[in-house]
Amino acid sequence: QKEVEQDPGPLSVPEGAIVSLNCTYSNSAFQYFMWYRQYSRKGPELLMYTYSSGNKEDGRFTAQVDKSSKYISLFIRDSQPSDSATYLCAMSSNTGGFKTIFGAGTRLFVKA
Amino acid sequence: DADVTQTPRNRITKTGKRIMLECSQTKGHDRMYWYRQDPGLGLRLIYYSFDVKDINKGEISDGYSVSRQAQAKFSLSLESAIPNQTALYFCATSDFSASANTGELFFGEGSRLTVL
Repeated sequence: QKEVEQDPGPLSVPEGAIVSLNCTYSNSAFQYFMWYRQYSRKGPELLMYTYSSGNKEDGRFTAQVDKSSKYISLFIRDSQPSDSATYLCAMSSNTGGFKTIFGAGTRLFVKA
Repeated sequence: DADVTQTPRNRITKTGKRIMLECSQTKGHDRMYWYRQDPGLGLRLIYYSFDVKDINKGEISDGYSVSRQAQAKFSLSLESAIPNQTALYFCATSDFSASANTGELFFGEGSRLTVL
C-alpha cells in the first residue's frame, strides 16, 4: 500500500463548477499537508499549505485536513480554464528530516 | 532567469550509456533533492542532500548516484542507463531555516530522459 493515495483522474468539469480533489494517507505521523499545482511542461508549485487538522482558505481555494480519517481535500470554487493542471497532494513530518511524500497527482481539465 | 535550473531539459540516450543531469540554484537554499515523475506514480524521491557534505538515499536510489559539488549545485548520474529509467526528473530545493517553516519545495522545470 502506498503511503499516499490519490486518484490520477483525469477529471473534466465545466467552467464555474466546484471541484473536489482528495487524498488519503496511512502514516499518522504526517503533520504538514500541501497541495502543489503543476502545469504542463512545468515543475510543481506550492498552492496551499496546512499544518495539522483544519481548514485553510485562499481565494477560490480551500484545503481541508481530517487527521482522524487520514483524509485531505482541496476544493476549487468557480473553476476556470486556467485551473487546468495536475494537482499533487503532498505530506511530511518532522521525523525523518521533513521528507515530502507525494500523491500520484490528479489531472484536472476545466472546459470553457 | 529561473531560480532552479536543470540541464539538459531533454535527453535521448541508449541503454548502457552514462548520463548526468545537472541542477543549479540561486535561491541560497541548503537542501536539494532529486525526484522522478512517472505517470500514475507521482513524484518519487531518489536522493536528497541537506548540506554540501550530506547525501541521503530516497525511496528509489538504486541505479542512481548524486554529487553535491557546492551549496548551489546537485547533480544526478545514471551510471548505466536502462529503459525503465525513462522518466521526467525534477530537482528541487528547500530552506529550513527558522524563518521558513513550511518546508516548501521549489522545483526546476524538469529534465525529460528517454533511454532506448
